[in-house]
Amino acid sequence: SYVLTQPPSLSVAPGETAMITCGGDKIGGKSVHWYQQKPGQAPVMVIYYDSDRPSGIPVRFSGSNSGNTATLTISRVEAGDEADYYCQVWESSSHHRGFGGGTKLTVL
Amino acid sequence: EVQLVESGGDLVQSGRSLRLSCAASGFTFDDYAMHWVRQAPGKGLEWVSGINWNGGALDYADSVKGRFTISRDNAKSSLYLQMNSLRTEDTALYYCVKQFTAAGRGAFDYWGRGTLVTVSS
Repeated sequence: SYVLTQPPSLSVAPGETAMITCGGDKIGGKSVHWYQQKPGQAPVMVIYYDSDRPSGIPVRFSGSNSGNTATLTISRVEAGDEADYYCQVWESSSHHRGFGGGTKLTVL
Repeated sequence: EVQLVESGGDLVQSGRSLRLSCAASGFTFDDYAMHWVRQAPGKGLEWVSGINWNGGALDYADSVKGRFTISRDNAKSSLYLQMNSLRTEDTALYYCVKQFTAAGRGAFDYWGRGTLVTVSS
């Protein structure tokens, strides 16, 4: 099955930029979605189709995807952004939907 | 308002069966694909199974294929997961999830709060 690799953790100071990566073989040819999960809560979609932002998600959240890496970028990080972030792709051959292992974002 | 309410989670012994249900409201249920995603305690998200808008396409993770069966009743706006031959590694919070398209590569735009399945040895 298709493997998605995320760094387990990332720490950034408030006001700085967080870049969370999701690595996969030729992931640039797939559509990547991103989810935010805060403790004790269900995940929330923050980016879909690589870089589209759902209504209600701040413009500080953006996404890109090229080559073997997709990236979720959070600009001007706030304390409320502290959460686990997961990338996800759809595998056209198997119709499986894989998640990355998740990245725990800590705001210092 | 979209609502997804799961039920059916329980403590069961290894090898037994369990059926999860998800009651959907606030949207036209038969316009969208639906999924089950699980999360073991302290672990990440794992996609379990998905079904397209009319039930004509069913997909399963390798870890549950042959043991779990997904189904839907569009007349009742309900999604189900029949889980047989349960194993301790199936212990998790099971989320009912809406996809924002009828099939294919769409993202998951709404999630329920989950129902807890605990499998003991």
